[in-house]
Amino acid sequence: DAKTTQPNSMESNEEEPVHLPCNHSTISGTDYIHWYRQLPSQGPEYVIHGLTSNVNNRMASLAIAEDRKSSTLILHRATLRDAAVYYCILSTHSGAGSYQLTFGKGTKLSVIP
Amino acid sequence: DSGVTQTPKHLITATGQRVTLRCSPRSGDLSVYWYQQSLDQGLQFLIQYYNGEERAKGNILERFSAQQFPDLHSELNLSSLELGDSALYFCASSVGGGARYEQYFGPGTRLTVT
Repeated sequence: DAKTTQPNSMESNEEEPVHLPCNHSTISGTDYIHWYRQLPSQGPEYVIHGLTSNVNNRMASLAIAEDRKSSTLILHRATLRDAAVYYCILSTHSGAGSYQLTFGKGTKLSVIP
Repeated sequence: DSGVTQTPKHLITATGQRVTLRCSPRSGDLSVYWYQQSLDQGLQFLIQYYNGEERAKGNILERFSAQQFPDLHSELNLSSLELGDSALYFCASSVGGGARYEQYFGPGTRLTVT
């Protein structure tokens, strides 16, 4: 599986934007970029995903570099509820309709009131 | 609330025993995934089912098995339990079985083997 590199931890002030970077230099043309987050003792929560174009949803925005070797998850206004471990994951589409998410260590985001 | 339900929430059992974890996917989702999360290994993919058929296998031990039933719920069976099997077990579901679909995770089952 393709690998991603994320900072171990980041801090943000409440109500300020947060940019979480992810490097994936070995990404292949069929790999989707997924972001999930996990609060302590809870299941991972889907945040956003994309293939080539930038994506927006109610939770966040995903900016994908033109060469697709890096991406950035953007939280527009951090709240205390956004404090979590954020995982950037590459998933490869298989013609057999199978795929798996390979979680790394992620970035632990702390939000300062 | 993701719409994925898992039972039981907590399970305490002894070494050598067998347990069954149950997962009900979101309404309309055909694919189910199982993950194990332990302190030292992080989140690890175990197995995927799509509409009753096994589709992908990860780091699943031979002592573990799973199945997806016609009503799409899934069960993960863990046998000959060892202390090292103590972990959080998560189930996730998605509409389709491919990489373009997001997965929705349940709240997990915490298994403690004593």
